[in-house]
Amino acid sequence: DIQMTQSPSSLSASVGDRVTITCRASQGISFWLAWYQQKPEKAPKSLIYAASNLQNGVPSRFSGSGSGTDFTLTISSLQPEDFATYYCQQYNSYPPTFGQGTKVEIK
Amino acid sequence: QITLKESGPTLVKPTQTLTLTCTFSGFSLSTSGVGVGWIRQPPGKALEWLAVIYGDDDKRYSPSLKSRLTITKDTSRNQVVLTMTNMDPVDSATYFCAHPYSGNAFFFDYWGQGTLVTVSS
Repeated sequence: DIQMTQSPSSLSASVGDRVTITCRASQGISFWLAWYQQKPEKAPKSLIYAASNLQNGVPSRFSGSGSGTDFTLTISSLQPEDFATYYCQQYNSYPPTFGQGTKVEIK
Repeated sequence: QITLKESGPTLVKPTQTLTLTCTFSGFSLSTSGVGVGWIRQPPGKALEWLAVIYGDDDKRYSPSLKSRLTITKDTSRNQVVLTMTNMDPVDSATYFCAHPYSGNAFFFDYWGQGTLVTVSS
């Protein structure tokens, strides 16, 4: 299985901050990476697919980049509704695997 | 509009078999490349993919759980059923069903609300 490692596990930030989350794959996955946002007691929400493509309706302050083994999710200006846990997921090969999550908290 | 909803027991005893049903709308599972998957999340922990089934009846399972899982579909009723045998307290989790974008792009663009399953005697 491909292991996905996110960093940091958690971070504290203020509204308006630029936030970057990193996801590293244990082997190359081209650009077959998705990002999700999950709020407490809710299902994950798909944000980005193919490393950098925003899902319809996702604000443009979210962006993704990377290929191969190293990927980033950036929130350019953190908004109150962005405080949540973020997960990456590789879909280069079965089984699809998720990172352990990054919790974005209010500073 | 794609929607999915999980249903099943909230409490199962150790060694019992869990049966979960995903009822969906907005797409048909009679089409190749269209599928439904299951993902679970223990309280406070990360997401774990379990299984997926596609319209051509292609099925994939988590290697670590393959011996305990069975996924089936009822196309006429728009339902997918996941069974997990020999349940253990460590299997306590919220179980989600979700729609994979496609057969070749198995990230999940639509999710059900999830159903919490507790394994306890």
